[in-house]
Amino acid sequence: NAGVTQTPKFRILKIGQSMTLQCTQDMNHNYMYWYRQDPGMGLKLIYYSVGAGITDKGEVPNGYNVSRSTTEDFPLRLELAAPSQTSVYFCANRQELWIAGPGFGSGTRLTVV
Amino acid sequence: TQLLEQSPQFLSIQEGENLTVYCNSSSVFSSLQWYRQEPGEGPVLLVTVVTGGEVKKLKRLTFQFGDARKDSSLHITAAQPGDTGLYLCAGAPGNQFYFGTGTSLTVIP
Repeated sequence: NAGVTQTPKFRILKIGQSMTLQCTQDMNHNYMYWYRQDPGMGLKLIYYSVGAGITDKGEVPNGYNVSRSTTEDFPLRLELAAPSQTSVYFCANRQELWIAGPGFGSGTRLTVV
Repeated sequence: TQLLEQSPQFLSIQEGENLTVYCNSSSVFSSLQWYRQEPGEGPVLLVTVVTGGEVKKLKRLTFQFGDARKDSSLHITAAQPGDTGLYLCAGAPGNQFYFGTGTSLTVIP
């Protein structure tokens, strides 16, 4: 989905470091999501947002924070990185139609050492 | 506890064989989606099913939504190596959007 852009594509962090994964969209969708995916597994929802200024926790929010100051941007913050946060992170957006499924960015592969 | 459970988790078959992947939940969904994901890429939407009992076909792929809208299946006829990938069902109980546990399919030439 060219409408969702994630940066960086790859990152190595040391234990205890912090970083922000950037996600921006050019499709003006109110719904945005952050997922993490471990090898060969499905996606687990970290946080989601239904519009600027509104965020909520998903299945696995511990160790992460998000903000949604604009419709376009939905950054994911990792504080005090831990090896368990080694994963691929996907940002997605979605239309406000009940039958619509999310469209995804290309992902950020994060390794914590 | 996973909201959407898929089976099998792994599947390795020979080219030309048929297969079925199942997606089950104890919750009712207004719609379910199926995605396919290739290594290093994000999931790509294949189909959305919205009506209980609905059957949708996409070339050699047949998708079915259970009558009670709690489960779905994906059937692939005459699998080809290009079908190899991770298949994910997904749905939204409310504003969240959850994915199933995934089925990793390998089709051997």
